[in-house]
Formats: sequence, structure tokens, C-alpha cells
Amino acid sequence: EAGVAQSPRYKIIEKRQSVAFWCNPISGHATLYWYQQILGQGPKLLIQFQNNGVVDDSQLPKDRFSAERLKGVDSTLKIQPAKLEDSAVYLCASMGPLNTEAFFGQGTRLTVV
Amino acid sequence: GESVGLHLPTLSVQEGDNSIINCAYSNSASDYFIWYKQESGKGPQFIIDIRSNMDKRQGQRVTVLLNKTVKHLSLQIAATQPGDSAVYFCAENMYGQNFVFGPGTRLSVLP
Repeated sequence: EAGVAQSPRYKIIEKRQSVAFWCNPISGHATLYWYQQILGQGPKLLIQFQNNGVVDDSQLPKDRFSAERLKGVDSTLKIQPAKLEDSAVYLCASMGPLNTEAFFGQGTRLTVV
Repeated sequence: GESVGLHLPTLSVQEGDNSIINCAYSNSASDYFIWYKQESGKGPQFIIDIRSNMDKRQGQRVTVLLNKTVKHLSLQIAATQPGDSAVYFCAENMYGQNFVFGPGTRLSVLP
């Protein structure tokens, strides 16, 4: 079974630039999460999708972050404009219909300079 | 908001000894818990899970214990190996909601 795919693995941008991350979840997984993990901390939820609908985006900084999952499969997360404090690893995870075993991708390490 | 915390931020054990990593959770309504292992530069890797209707679950070399009375979760690793060195996170979940992670415990296996 293929895992959760994310790209790119690494990205370096200057502050005020924009960036986009892509995630392809495990086939058949309806639930998709985007998490932000700052160095030395646990992952923190940004947004949760169920199919193509948003379940929870209460912690998403909506003035600069946006995410979509238009066809209920893969998803993109965008930051515009980026700030220095956005430097982190952005993790995508998906969970299957039995609501067990959320699997994570390798993440995208973003550095804002 | 609700959060998951850990008692010990770092843990060093001798190779071959057993490791115990502890976690306190705050949401009594959480009904599903997962332990993840995260190695440097990688995403969290699922280790073992447990539902709130259980108090113990065993896997290969790992055991998770759940004490709902005191809202405490632990991960026991038997015969700890160098490859077990990583950061371990517990995460709590309510059905249909997101996973809330703690800050993590770094496990260091000494030769």
C-alpha cells in the first residue's frame, strides 16, 4: 500500500513570497489533515478535511494560509505572504473509514529567510 | 484548548533495557490514542493505538497502557534497541475530530 505522498520535501523562500505544498493521501482515505510542526514541538493541526469538505480550520491563520481539496483526493496548502515564523515542517496525514491509524507523509520542510 | 502533555521531555536508557514513556492527556472525552515515533527528517510513524474501552494493548516489543481514571497513557518498549532512538509522541482523538499531539519525548539508547 502506497503511503501519503507530499511534495516538495524542502523549500526555501524569502519572507512575503508565496509557497504551495501538495499532498496525495492513501487511496480511499476520506479524512485528510494538514499539520504544522515547529522544530522541537509536536504537530499542530492547521486544517482537517472530510472528503472535499472542511471539518475543522479553526487554527488555520486564514489571513495568509489557505487549503483546498477540490475533488476529495489530493490537497494543496498555500501560504501567501510567508513570514519568518512560518518556518516549520508541514505534515499531511490521512485516515481511513474505520477512523483508525492516521498515517503521515514525510513532510515539507519550509524555511523562510 | 485541549492538549496532550508528557511528563519527561528526554529519556536515556541502556541498550537491552525496557523503556517507559509517559503521557498525560487532558480531554476526558477522547476515545482513541496513538503513539507515534518520529526520526529526524521523517514524518511521524504509527507505532500502536488503543481505544478507550481498553486498558492495555500489546504489539511487537511495544505495549500501551491506558489509565482513564487519571488520564494517563504510557508506552513500554521491551529490550530497547539503538533503532528505537527517536522522538515519541502520544496523540489523542475524539471520533471524527483531529489528533492533538503533545510536545514529545526524546528517547536516547545508550550502547
